[in-house]
Amino acid sequence: GAVVSQHPSWVICKSGTSVKIECRSLDFQATTMFWYRQFPKQSLMLMATSNEGSKATYEQGVEKDKFLINHASLTLSTLTVTSAHPEDSSFYICSARFGSLHENIQYFGAGTRLSVL
Amino acid sequence: GESVGLHLPTLSVQEGDNSIINCAYSNSASDYFIWYKQESGKGPQFIIDIRSNMDKRQGQRVTVLLNKTVKHLSLQIAATQPGDSAVYFCAETWGAQKLVFGQGTRLTINP
Repeated sequence: GAVVSQHPSWVICKSGTSVKIECRSLDFQATTMFWYRQFPKQSLMLMATSNEGSKATYEQGVEKDKFLINHASLTLSTLTVTSAHPEDSSFYICSARFGSLHENIQYFGAGTRLSVL
Repeated sequence: GESVGLHLPTLSVQEGDNSIINCAYSNSASDYFIWYKQESGKGPQFIIDIRSNMDKRQGQRVTVLLNKTVKHLSLQIAATQPGDSAVYFCAETWGAQKLVFGQGTRLTINP
């Protein structure tokens, strides 16, 4: 399957700082990238959908100003958690989707575990 | 269906037996379904998919069955191995829109 690289895999930060997470599609150009959040023993919750060159579409209840998404190219999307607080501690996962040729399969990165002290 | 609660359903099977993981999906308009496997601390890994115009699809050691009448999806894993231990999620989508994930099932393998 397609390879999606996510970096960093683990980050610890102080409350009030900002953290940037990168998501790269390594061997294909992704038409769309997605950002999810996952709490322990729970399912994936979609935060936003990101298309290259346009503004991200956020799910209801997700703060746009807190979770900044930039999709500058067909192979890179970034999620910045601004002014992080302990309640933002979670597992963040990105995914990428090809065009219609590959149906609607999303390929996922390995995830980033964020711990805010 | 959407994720609810903190209690992840668990399925325990003997190594070598077949596993059947079930999923009830929420939207009768869903036209595409995917099963993902997620190991601890990792992102979900694609296993198999199926379109709504099919009722069965087979892969290597895995089979997905779709019953649109009762909005039910199942994943069958043949000859379960220790490496199959993970949480399995079904996901549904319609019109090539976003994926909606089920709550997941934890599969544990007994030696």
